[in-house]
Amino acid sequence: DTGVSQNPRHKITKRGQNVTFRCDPISEHNRLYWYRQTLGQGPEFLTYFQNEAQLEKSRLLSDRFSAERPKGSFSTLEIQRTEQGDSAMYLCASSDGTSNTQYFGPGTRLTVL
Amino acid sequence: DAKTTQPPSMDCAEGRAANLPCNHSTISGNEYVYWYRQIHSQGPQYIIHGLKNNETNEMASLIITEDRKSSTLILPHATLRDTAVYYCIVRLRLGTDKLIFGTGTRLQVFP
Repeated sequence: DTGVSQNPRHKITKRGQNVTFRCDPISEHNRLYWYRQTLGQGPEFLTYFQNEAQLEKSRLLSDRFSAERPKGSFSTLEIQRTEQGDSAMYLCASSDGTSNTQYFGPGTRLTVL
Repeated sequence: DAKTTQPPSMDCAEGRAANLPCNHSTISGNEYVYWYRQIHSQGPQYIIHGLKNNETNEMASLIITEDRKSSTLILPHATLRDTAVYYCIVRLRLGTDKLIFGTGTRLQVFP
């Protein structure tokens, strides 16, 4: 399967703990996006990378959130000192520079107790 | 990006055509119409996109009105597996713009 993959698929953590999610984009896609989706809502944009450069961050991305894409391939999203409000589905998408159509991974569902 | 308006929910009988409308009256000339769907607990799935001409692929057809202020996604023979939330999004195709999702249309296909 050459689609976008995300790990883990599910994560349960206690409030105050740090969590890290990983996204592997479609091979050779130079653009990578993170979104967050809460129950009953559409996905909301968090941040965007072109190759290894983080080019845009949403105001939703508080100081407790950090994303990296060190070699322009996979990306990680870390949440420090998790809060119950961080409970959501975290989605990753990637696109190439030609069609720019974004393809999504299956998401990581985070539950903060 | 222009805003879109979609009905919150629709029903369709299995085997019939599902026609999902979308209004985007403030769309600009270089913005495309994209459709995604999201089956429960999965990531959004790209369906189709278009600028001003009607488009068709193996999943669906997209009909865009001549004034581009509205469009319709057509699933020609809906199946139970087409039950999902369908999102209509307008954006620049070659921009780096993020996708701005609304709340979409929840399509329920019944036997």
